[in-house]
Amino acid sequence: SAVISQKPSRDICQRGTSLTIQCQVDSQVTMMFWYRQQPGQSLTLIATANQGSEATYESGFVIDKFPISRPNLTFSTLTVSNMSPEDSSIYLCSVRFGYEQYFGPGTRLTVT
Amino acid sequence: GQQVMQIPQYQHVQEGEDFTTYCNSSTTLSNIQWYKQRPGGHPVFLIQLVKSGEVKKQKRLTFQFGEAKKNSSLHITATQTTDVGTYFCAQGGKLIFGQGTELSVKP
Repeated sequence: SAVISQKPSRDICQRGTSLTIQCQVDSQVTMMFWYRQQPGQSLTLIATANQGSEATYESGFVIDKFPISRPNLTFSTLTVSNMSPEDSSIYLCSVRFGYEQYFGPGTRLTVT
Repeated sequence: GQQVMQIPQYQHVQEGEDFTTYCNSSTTLSNIQWYKQRPGGHPVFLIQLVKSGEVKKQKRLTFQFGEAKKNSSLHITATQTTDVGTYFCAQGGKLIFGQGTELSVKP
């Protein structure tokens, strides 16, 4: 299993600004995943981050808007850039051990 | 990419009643996973099904994978208030989630 922490747990930001979300895992993992969950909706994969290489983004998500860093095997950051109210969501990082996927507690972002 | 359709979107039951949520795909799935998300919480892995016709049980929860591996179900017997939450199916290496079924239980 894995213990995943995220910072911040929540934030209220003004449109046009950027927020960086941190994800820390208590074990070394090859891949880390970033998801978005809009209010009352399901989870949507934003990107997959491997240590030492550029993240792979899903359709509809671009690096300029959601830059990701993966400096080592236990840590990753997701930045939400030039925010608009449509970016108001919960952002979750996730890791996989075997076939089980574990999620962090999420960062609840509100953009005003 | 592959998508799974999940129904119903909401289910309100009286405590003690049964509950079932269904996932359907137009294509054959290699596997399917089920997650539970409590209100205000994050998704928690419940189970993975891989084999055609597979049935797995976890106490009052029964998970099924269809013979054609295109559908799956989660059945809860005699619901309790602790079962409240949203249940998601998810499939594929990239873990594509269904829309989820929100379960509320009236005591």
